Amino acid sequence: EVQLVESGGGLVKPGGSLRLSCAASGFTFSSYTLTWVRQAPGKGLEWVSSISVTGSYTYYADSVKGRFTISRDNPKNSLYLEMNSLRAEDTALYYCANLMASGPYNWFDPWGQGTLVTVSS
Amino acid sequence: HSVLTQPPSVSGAPGQRVTISCTGSSSNIGAGYDVQWYQKLPGTVPKLLIYGNTNRPSGVPDRISGSKSGTSASLAIAGLQAEDEAEYFCQSYDSSLPGYVFGTETKVTVL
Repeated sequence: EVQLVESGGGLVKPGGSLRLSCAASGFTFSSYTLTWVRQAPGKGLEWVSSISVTGSYTYYADSVKGRFTISRDNPKNSLYLEMNSLRAEDTALYYCANLMASGPYNWFDPWGQGTLVTVSS
Repeated sequence: HSVLTQPPSVSGAPGQRVTISCTGSSSNIGAGYDVQWYQKLPGTVPKLLIYGNTNRPSGVPDRISGSKSGTSASLAIAGLQAEDEAEYFCQSYDSSLPGYVFGTETKVTVL
C-alpha cells in the first residue's frame, strides 16, 4: 500500500523549534519530488516547501523562508522539515505529499494524515 | 493564505448535479497552469479526482468532471450520491509566488 506517515508534531513555545518527519512506503520514494503542505485552523491549505528527487533543489513559501529547512534521506525513505523560530501563525496541521508527474501534468498523491503543530506560550 | 477562491458550500438532492467553482488570477489559472481537484472525507487523506483540468484518474467515476476557462476552473458532480458528501478543493501553480496554490475548500452537502 502506498503510504506517507508524518510524525513529530506537538506543542512548542514561540521562538522554539520542531522537526517533522514523514515516512514513505509502497512506492519508489527516491523517484519523486516531495512536499510539505499545511492547514491552519479554519484556513485553507498552504504550500510550505518542496524538495527535488536528489535533494539538490529546495523551494520555500515566503512565509517560512529562512526559518524552515526541508531535507530527505532516500535510503531511509524519509522526508523532514526542520522548523525554527516558530510563530503562532505556524500553528497548523502539516501534511507531507508526493508530487506525482505524468507527461505535462503533476499532482499531489498520496498525502499523509498530517501531524499537528501548535505554537503557543 | 488561499490564492484560489471557492464557494464555502454547495448542496443538492440525490441525483442532482452540482458544480464547484475555483477562481484564480492571471498568475495561476489564467497563466495556463493546470488545475487539479481533490476530495477530502472526514478522517481520510485527500483523494485526487481530476488532474490536468479535465482528466480523471482510474477509479474516479465519469459522473465527476472538470473544466477550465480563463482564470477559473470548475468541478461538476452529476448524479449526486450520499458518498459525495465531503470537502473539495482545487490546486494549481502560481508564477508570482512562485509555488503551488490551493483553493479555499467547498463543503458539499447531499440533502
